[in-house]
Amino acid sequence: GQQVMQIPQYQHVQEGEDFTTYCNSSTTLSNIQWYKQRPGGHPVFLIQLVKSGEVKKQKRLTFQFGEAKKNSSLHITATQTTDVGTYFCAGTGTASKLTFGTGTRLQVTL
Amino acid sequence: EPEVTQTPSHQVTQMGQEVILRCVPISNHLYFYWYRQILGQKVEFLVSFYNNEISEKSEIFDDQFSVERPDGSNFTLKIRSTKLEDSAMYFCASRTGQQSMRAFFGQGTRLTVV
Repeated sequence: GQQVMQIPQYQHVQEGEDFTTYCNSSTTLSNIQWYKQRPGGHPVFLIQLVKSGEVKKQKRLTFQFGEAKKNSSLHITATQTTDVGTYFCAGTGTASKLTFGTGTRLQVTL
Repeated sequence: EPEVTQTPSHQVTQMGQEVILRCVPISNHLYFYWYRQILGQKVEFLVSFYNNEISEKSEIFDDQFSVERPDGSNFTLKIRSTKLEDSAMYFCASRTGQQSMRAFFGQGTRLTVV
């Protein structure tokens, strides 16, 4: 079945440093979404990417969808303590379900 | 913003008992999902439901599990004869069914099997 891996599993940064998480799917995706889950919380939608090579920005967050539609990345510029949480990519293939990636837990300290 | 609501927030049950987890999806949404997250792990797909029937299910979703939409607003997950390894956070999600695949997640039900 479809597998979606993310690296790194965990990253600890100082506030103000940049952070990137990478997402790789075993199969081509029709679209990819990113979610953030705060500790003890539920996944919250951040963005959806549909087109090959698409890049979208939300303030300090930059999302990319690979040309082959099998990988994606999320980059956070100048992290803040409010960025703490686990970031999941989630892909859709031909079916309706979302397959979540393994997640990257981000810790930010002052 | 509209919300998916789940009840209860926490359920403790004895091994072998049946539990029903309840969800009220967003009212105009057409696709409904159950996901499971074991503590510290990824969010795992269990089942999707569309047009009053299961549209897809994972290998986790065996005969022990069932879903229902009994009255047009609630969406339930029943787990028969619970096992210790069923302890997890269970999330309900829904989406509109139009172009966006954006899923709205409920706050989750933490199931503890003892």
